[in-house]
Amino acid sequence: EVQLLESGGGLGQPGGSLRLSCAASGFIFSTYAMSWVRQAPGKGLEWVSVISGSGDSTYYADSGKGRFTISRDNSKNTLDLQMNSLRAEDTAVYYCAKIGGGSSWISSPFDYWGQGTLVTVSS
Amino acid sequence: EIVMTQSPATLSVSPGERATLSCRASQSVSSNLAWYQQKPGQAPRLLIYYASTRATGFPARFSGSGSGTEFTLTISSLQSEDFAIYYCQQYNNWPRTFGQGTKVEIK
Repeated sequence: EVQLLESGGGLGQPGGSLRLSCAASGFIFSTYAMSWVRQAPGKGLEWVSVISGSGDSTYYADSGKGRFTISRDNSKNTLDLQMNSLRAEDTAVYYCAKIGGGSSWISSPFDYWGQGTLVTVSS
Repeated sequence: EIVMTQSPATLSVSPGERATLSCRASQSVSSNLAWYQQKPGQAPRLLIYYASTRATGFPARFSGSGSGTEFTLTISSLQSEDFAIYYCQQYNNWPRTFGQGTKVEIK
């Protein structure tokens, strides 16, 4: 059974940093690309970032480019999102999502999601 | 960026009735279109991918159709557990983009 468990959310200061983590199990982690998707309170879904299974390819939404860094440790089956220069508009539930398709990840949907971790940016 | 537009924003349907949700892309996404179901307090769940393939665990009353820029999600006979928000998402281009969602509520 695929399980994705996010952690690291909480209260962050404007201009500050937070690091989110996602612990994955139930599948061969290194085979699959992984992504972060966020949802502001009462709002829709916004894709944040993606990393390939090997970690050598990454993409970012403009909202996080230059501030967020996605990374993974395939030896520990973990996915991270380093969030710097936090803004109020970064307040959201952050979901870790597995991408289907294995090596065809470029054209595959988010097939499993974690339960999310809430990030609140406020002074 | 590809803009995904869903309609209607809210759909009021009686149990047992048919629901038809629409999703339009601002440019062609081929068949790289997914639908997700989200219930209150829960994570989204993949419902349909490649525009018409039903994901594991969802019954046959859910069906998807379309390609290019116009897509439809149909729920043939709504059950109580189907009342939720449904999002479409394109995975043809970066950045990945979602529609704003359609809330299916009990009439």
